[in-house]
Amino acid sequence: DIQVTQSPSTLSASVGDRVSITCRASRSISTWLAWYQQKPGKAPKVLIYDASTLESGVPSRFSGTGSGTEFTLTISSLQPDDFATYYCQQYLNYPLTFGQGTKLDNK
Amino acid sequence: QITLKESGPTLVTPKQTLTLTCTFSGFSLSTDGVAVGWIRQPPGKALEWLGLVYWNDDKRYSPSLKSRLSITTDTSKNQVVLTVTNVGPVDTATYFCARGAPFGSGWIDFWGPGARVTVSS
Repeated sequence: DIQVTQSPSTLSASVGDRVSITCRASRSISTWLAWYQQKPGKAPKVLIYDASTLESGVPSRFSGTGSGTEFTLTISSLQPDDFATYYCQQYLNYPLTFGQGTKLDNK
Repeated sequence: QITLKESGPTLVTPKQTLTLTCTFSGFSLSTDGVAVGWIRQPPGKALEWLGLVYWNDDKRYSPSLKSRLSITTDTSKNQVVLTVTNVGPVDTATYFCARGAPFGSGWIDFWGPGARVTVSS
């Protein structure tokens, strides 16, 4: 199985901050990576797929970069609605695997 | 408009079989490239992929759970059914059904709201 490891596990930030979350894969996954946002009690929502493609309707303050084994999700200017937990997911091969999540909370 | 919704029991006794149904609308599982899968999330923990079925009935399962999982389809009813046998407390989770983005190779574009399942005697 391909393991995906996120860091940090928790991130404290304030509205207006620029924040970044990293996802590392245990072996190269090219750009077969997606990022999701999940709020408490809700289903995840896709933000980015193919490592850097912004899903339709997702604000442009979200961006994704990386290829191979290291990927980054960046929020350019944090908004109140962005406090949530973020997950990466690899889909190079089965089993599909998710990172352990990064909780972004209000400092 | 694409929607998915999970239904099934909220409480299951240990060693019994859990059956969850995903009823979807706005797309067809007969359309090339479409997939519907299941993901679960234990309370306070991360997402865990369980398996999926493709439009051509190709099925993939998590190796760690494969011996206990089964995914079946009823295309005429727009339903996908997940069966988990011999459940235990570790199977307590919110179960999500979700659509794999068509020809998207595995990322998920639509999710159901989730069904909370507790395994307890």
